[in-house]
Amino acid sequence: GDSVTQMEGPVTLSEEAFLTINCTYTATGYPSLFWYVQYPGEGLQLLLKATKADDKGSNKGFEATYRKETTSFHLEKGSVQVSDSAVYFCALSDYNQGGKLIFGQGTELSVKP
Amino acid sequence: DTAVSQTPKYLVTQMGNDKSIKCEQNLGHDTMYWYKQDSKKFLKIMFSYNNKELIINETVPNRFSPKSPDKAHLNLHINSLELGDSAVYFCASSLSSGSGRDEQFFGPGTRLTVL
Repeated sequence: GDSVTQMEGPVTLSEEAFLTINCTYTATGYPSLFWYVQYPGEGLQLLLKATKADDKGSNKGFEATYRKETTSFHLEKGSVQVSDSAVYFCALSDYNQGGKLIFGQGTELSVKP
Repeated sequence: DTAVSQTPKYLVTQMGNDKSIKCEQNLGHDTMYWYKQDSKKFLKIMFSYNNKELIINETVPNRFSPKSPDKAHLNLHINSLELGDSAVYFCASSLSSGSGRDEQFFGPGTRLTVL
C-alpha cells in the first residue's frame, strides 16, 4: 500500500540556519503531496502542497518540490526562526481513496535563539 | 470563528467506560474525518464521511462507532474503553474527497486518557 517515510527527529538548529527535512513516498497512483505543521498543543495546519510532478509548493519561506523520479518531497527553508519550532508531517493523498491522508512519522524541529 | 471544533478537549476516564467526542465544522465542507495520533505522534486515518455517508473505515475495532447526523457534524462514540485507546483524536474536514487534492482542516484535538 501507499506509504510515506520522513527523516527521524528531533532536529535542532540555530536561528537563521538552513533547514531540510527529507520525505519520500511509495504510491501506486499519482498522489497529491502535502506538508502539515503541528505547533505544540494544537491541531495540524497545511503548510504547503503539490498536486503533480515538478510542482513546487511554497508558503512562509518553506518550499518543497514534487519529484516523481526520486519519489520525494523534501521540505526546505533558507533561514529558520524560533517560531518555526513544531512537528512537521509529510503526507500523501491519492485519487479516489476517500481523501484520506497517509502521514509520515513526523519530524520534530527545535530552533534555538 | 473556529472552523473545526471538537469537544471535549481533554477526556480522562476509566477502562470499560463508554465515551463520545463531538466535532463540528462551519466551513460548508462535504467530507469529514477522524484521525488517531498515538504517543509517538504517528497519525492514522480511522474514518471518513462524505455528506453523511461512511466512505472509509480503516479496520478500526467495532467498539468505535462514528455517526454523522448532518454534513457539518461527525461524532465518535467509543464503547468499553481500553488502555490502548489513550491517544489524541483529531477531527478534520475537506471540501470533497474524490481528487485527494483538497486541503484538510483539522480541529484542535481531544486528548483521551484511559486509566
